[in-house]
Amino acid sequence: EAGVAQSPRYKIIEKRQSVAFWCNPISGHATLYWYQQILGQGPKLLIQFQNNGVVDDSQLPKDRFSAERLKGVDSTLKIQPAKLEDSAVYLCASSRRQGASDTQYFGPGTRLTVL
Amino acid sequence: AQSVTQLGSHVSVSEGALVLLRCNYSSSVPPYLFWYVQYPNQGLQLLLKYTSAATLVKGINGFEAEFKKSETSFHLTKPSAHMSDAAEYFCAVSGPSGNTGKLIFGQGTTLQVKP
Repeated sequence: EAGVAQSPRYKIIEKRQSVAFWCNPISGHATLYWYQQILGQGPKLLIQFQNNGVVDDSQLPKDRFSAERLKGVDSTLKIQPAKLEDSAVYLCASSRRQGASDTQYFGPGTRLTVL
Repeated sequence: AQSVTQLGSHVSVSEGALVLLRCNYSSSVPPYLFWYVQYPNQGLQLLLKYTSAATLVKGINGFEAEFKKSETSFHLTKPSAHMSDAAEYFCAVSGPSGNTGKLIFGQGTTLQVKP
């Protein structure tokens, strides 16, 4: 079974530029998560999708971040415009169902550096 | 609100020695608890999870953790450390039942294994 795929793996941009990340979850997984992991900290949930609907985006800075999951499969996360404090690893995860005990499987992440 | 505290941001052990990584949680109801491992430039991999079936949970690579409700703890142990165990370890909490599945992570503990 293929794991969660993410691209690109690394991205370096200047502040105020825009950037987009892509995630392909494990086949058949209905729930998709985007986490932000700042250096030295644990991951923090940005947004959660159940199929193509948003379940939780309470921690997403909506003035600059947006995400979509068209057709309930792949997802993209966009930042526009980027700030220095957005430098982090962006992790995508998926789970078979939306449940507190369901295992989340993580992709390798996209490391973003904002200069 | 739920929270997780990992005591010790860095733990160093000798190869063959006992590994003990500490995790305490704050939750008003019994939660679901997870330990994930992250190797450099990789995503998070599940080591084990507690879902109220048994208080002693065995995971991959010889790791285990014990859920102690009275101490609100879920410490991770391994009897004998191996060089390949050097990585960052995250404790996370989810729940209660019916929760969306959002994981709340601790800040992580870096395990160093000395030869």
